[in-house]
Amino acid sequence: SQQGEEDPQALSIQEGENATMNCSYKTSINNLQWYRQNSGRGLVHLILIRSNEREKHSGRLRVTLDTSKKSSSLLITASRAADTASYFCATDENDMRFGAGTRLTVKP
Amino acid sequence: DAGVIQSPRHEVTEMGQEVTLRCKPISGHDYLFWYRQTMMRGLELLIYFNNNVPIDDSGMPEDRFSAKMPNASFSTLKIQPSEPRDSAVYFCASSFGQRYNEQFFGPGTRLTVL
Repeated sequence: SQQGEEDPQALSIQEGENATMNCSYKTSINNLQWYRQNSGRGLVHLILIRSNEREKHSGRLRVTLDTSKKSSSLLITASRAADTASYFCATDENDMRFGAGTRLTVKP
Repeated sequence: DAGVIQSPRHEVTEMGQEVTLRCKPISGHDYLFWYRQTMMRGLELLIYFNNNVPIDDSGMPEDRFSAKMPNASFSTLKIQPSEPRDSAVYFCASSFGQRYNEQFFGPGTRLTVL
């Protein structure tokens, strides 16, 4: 199976709600990155978190990293219709190979 | 900077034809990546270069695929002969400094092989 796996595969919420998606990996990492892909477009880098960091913020985005559980979460607060996209994680553990992503739909 | 530039944006060709996809990375970036994205297989890393040298081409599906980077500002991905199963969106990305730094993606080339 692919590493850097996102969960859930799909998520549908109402505008204004928070969205949480998760990423798991298998061994050890130096950094983990989250990307967003809008339909028909290239990926856009959101956040890079290093193994010695536990949490990072960027605007409405909050990323946490739990190295003991080998997982990361991406939280989008106060979601907007424009947040509708696929979200991917990638780590140096799996040579930055991307998982299947989480498809987020934010309904207006 | 204009970002990563890919051409063409759309390509429709017939089985057996040669296809050449082009990429101009962000100026100053020393890593360049080629990806392929399909519904079935997701986003796959095909090959990446560092300072114009191919480092890992283990993702290249078969000998019909080849990639070159003759200089720091240009790369090509060639498929010869093309097959319908090559239909996909091909992305080029570039990054600076380290293999695992932030990658900047181009808009992609949507390839359809009939």
